[in-house]
Amino acid sequence: GAVVSQHPSRVICKSGTSVKIECRSLDFQATTMFWYRQFPKKSLMLMATSNEGSKATYEQGVEKDKFLINHASLTLSTLTVTSAHPEDSSFYICSASSGRGNEQFFGPGTRLTVL
Amino acid sequence: GENVEQHPSTLSVQEGDSAVIKCTYSDSASNYFPWYKQELGKRPQLIIDIRSNVGEKKDQRIAVTLNKTAKHFSLHITETQPEDSAVYFCAALPAGGTSYGKLTFGQGTILTVHP
Repeated sequence: GAVVSQHPSRVICKSGTSVKIECRSLDFQATTMFWYRQFPKKSLMLMATSNEGSKATYEQGVEKDKFLINHASLTLSTLTVTSAHPEDSSFYICSASSGRGNEQFFGPGTRLTVL
Repeated sequence: GENVEQHPSTLSVQEGDSAVIKCTYSDSASNYFPWYKQELGKRPQLIIDIRSNVGEKKDQRIAVTLNKTAKHFSLHITETQPEDSAVYFCAALPAGGTSYGKLTFGQGTILTVHP
């Protein structure tokens, strides 16, 4: 299957700082990337969908000014958690697809801990 | 939008027994149903998937069945092994409508296989 990387794998930061997470498709062009959030022992919750070169579409209840998403190229999408607070601590997972309706390939996830 | 319900939330079996996990979905536009296995702190791994034009698919010890009329699909694992222990998620992918291209996940099933 296709390979998706995510960086960093783990980050600990102080409250009030911003954290950027990168998601890369290594061997295919990802026209669509998805960002999920997963709390312990819970399912994956879709936060937003991003298409290369256009603004991300956020799910209901997700603050777009809090979670900035950029999909500047066909192989890279970034999620920036701005002014992070302890309640933002979670496991963030991206996935990439070569098109809507196609199989999604997941990144390894980023464990964010906000102190 | 799509809603996926998954049962049971936990499942404990003896090595060698079979395990069955069931999901129902609400959006008749969904046409792709993947199953993922997720180990603690890791990414979801696709283990099997099925499209709406078939009723059953098998891959060695794993099989998935789909009943489009009833809008439910099931994962069957035979001859379970301790290494099958993980969290399993079902998902549905609509081919149209407001949720087009977005995976909706079930709540997850914690499978424990006892040696």
